[in-house]
Amino acid sequence: GESVGLHLPTLSVQEGDNSIINCAYSNSASDYFIWYKQESGKGPQFIIDIRSNMDKRQGQRVTVLLNKTVKHLSLQIAATQPGDSAVYFCAENYNNAGNMLTFGGGTRLMVKP
Amino acid sequence: SQTIHQWPATLVQPVGSPLSLECTVEGTSNPNLYWYRQAAGRGLQLLFYSVGIGQISSEVPQNLSASRPQDRQFILSSKKLLLSDSGFYLCAWSAPTGHSGNTIYFGEGSWLTVV
Repeated sequence: GESVGLHLPTLSVQEGDNSIINCAYSNSASDYFIWYKQESGKGPQFIIDIRSNMDKRQGQRVTVLLNKTVKHLSLQIAATQPGDSAVYFCAENYNNAGNMLTFGGGTRLMVKP
Repeated sequence: SQTIHQWPATLVQPVGSPLSLECTVEGTSNPNLYWYRQAAGRGLQLLFYSVGIGQISSEVPQNLSASRPQDRQFILSSKKLLLSDSGFYLCAWSAPTGHSGNTIYFGEGSWLTVV
């Protein structure tokens, strides 16, 4: 469950535009994926999840897409708002790891008013 | 509904002093419990996890330890803090192992600065 200790990449978008945050996961056997949002000084907050038997799942203003062929996960945020500014983490889980999640390094989303 | 609390939220400790961070979960039984550390601007590093009372697994060798004296209580400790222990510590919980693909839910975190 250890994440890569890299400096965070940053995505800057204009308020009202759509945002797409990407994540490459490591294990082709992973069967469950989660996106978290972490605001400054707070703990990560669950946004949306998807199981490997699905390609797409929609929530309120958010959509997660899963491409198992290339082991790629994306989070789409519609009509991005200033309150969406945060660091976004993807996480993967595979059965033989029990409930252990492996986290991506995170992407910082900055929304310009 | 389930809630997770951890405290203190912020602390400044001198090098060589002890540490105790506490975490409790409400509204669930026999949860898996976790301690993560996050250095400034970086990702999440799993330190310890527990699947039951008294059962602790360590992911990273260090001068920290964890204990689970009660089902919904998880404590992170150190006898002597190092400067490198500074960071943001997060407690988390999930449903028991065996329920595949369960989300991990995080507490609000504890900022530790070792001076």
